[in-house]
Amino acid sequence: SYVLTQPPSVSVAPGKTARITCGGNNIGSRSVHWYQQKPGQAPVLVVNDDSDRPSGIPERFSGFTSRNSATLTISRVEAGDEADYYCQVWDSLVVFGGGTKLTVL
Amino acid sequence: EVQLVESGGVVVQRGGSLRLSCAASGFTFDDFSMHWVRQVPGKGLEWVSFITCDSGRRDYADSVKGRFTISRDNSEDSLNLQMNSLTPEDTAFYYCVKGDSCGYYNYFESWGQGTLVTVSP
Repeated sequence: SYVLTQPPSVSVAPGKTARITCGGNNIGSRSVHWYQQKPGQAPVLVVNDDSDRPSGIPERFSGFTSRNSATLTISRVEAGDEADYYCQVWDSLVVFGGGTKLTVL
Repeated sequence: EVQLVESGGVVVQRGGSLRLSCAASGFTFDDFSMHWVRQVPGKGLEWVSFITCDSGRRDYADSVKGRFTISRDNSEDSLNLQMNSLTPEDTAFYYCVKGDSCGYYNYFESWGQGTLVTVSP
């Protein structure tokens, strides 16, 4: 079965740029979607189809997918961005990455 | 505004059955596929099942195949998950999730707040 690999944690200082990676075999051939989940809340879609941003999501959130890795980039990080982030693709069925906890120092 | 409200989560004994429901509003329900995604408290997301807008295709994660059945009632704007032969490993928050289109290969546009299912040993 298809596996998506995310780092368990990423730390960043406020105002800096956070990059969260999602690795998968030939992931570039798939559409990658990203979700943000804050403590006690349901996930929220922040990037779909590799790099599209849903309405209401700040421009600070962007996505890029290369051949074997997808990256969610959060620019000018704020304290409110502290959350778990999950990547997702379709194989024969839905696959989620294990999640990355973003800590704002 | 899209609203997805899950119900039915309770404490149940191992081997028991449970039916989760999701009431949808704020969009044309029969234009979109729907999914169930679960999350063990403190752990990651696990996709459970989906159903296309016309119920023409349903699929399940291997972990629940043969035990869970997804269904929808487009006349009532509701989504259901019948869960049988429950084990403690099924203990999780269960989220009702709206896909972005009628078919598959969805991304998940909107999520409910979740309902907690607890299976006692």
